[in-house]
Amino acid sequence: GDSVTQMEGPVTLSEEAFLTINCTYTATGYPSLFWYVQYPGEGLQLLLKATKADDKGSNKGFEATYRKETTSFHLEKGSVQVSDSAVYFCALPSGGSNYKLTFGKGTLLTVNP
Amino acid sequence: EAGVTQSPTHLIKTRGQQATLRCSPISGHTSVYWYQQALGLGLQFLLWYDEGEERNRGNFPPRFSGRQFPNYSSELNVNALELEDSALYLCASSFYWGREGHEQYFGPGTRLTVT
Repeated sequence: GDSVTQMEGPVTLSEEAFLTINCTYTATGYPSLFWYVQYPGEGLQLLLKATKADDKGSNKGFEATYRKETTSFHLEKGSVQVSDSAVYFCALPSGGSNYKLTFGKGTLLTVNP
Repeated sequence: EAGVTQSPTHLIKTRGQQATLRCSPISGHTSVYWYQQALGLGLQFLLWYDEGEERNRGNFPPRFSGRQFPNYSSELNVNALELEDSALYLCASSFYWGREGHEQYFGPGTRLTVT
């Protein structure tokens, strides 16, 4: 079945450091891919998305490129801030009609000043 | 534009009781999804409603049920609560699932604690 594998956390960085969170997927066809972010005590927010191969999603300084050759959708940010501390989830639509989201286990990012 | 809203924010129940959680989708969205986020288990799909009908459910027992009202809001009911039902329950909404993109927008969640 469809699945998402994220790098194990937690990840701890200093402010202004470069961030990469790896995400690879297994799916039939070429589904849309998403990154969601969950700030402490809150629900999930859609951070960015890509709907087809070679698309680059971007938002708030974060970027991810849909690579079908490597079935990957790695999240990157050039300079993280303390306010980026959160849990990040990679996800894809799955189920017979792509009705539900299948999530990775999440990666906890802590950014220290 | 208002986002997905959920109530209550927190709910404390005793084992064996029933819990009712509520969700209002983004205006124009017809599909509502429920997910459970339990400690150590990640995000698990629970239920999907569209146009008032239950379209699919995840691998959860029948004591997890719900409904969708004519205004597309939804209710999740959990009967005969067990300790392991303690979790954050997230509601999400989207346009009709067939639309390209399939992105879902989430509410803040209801934290259910079973003692």
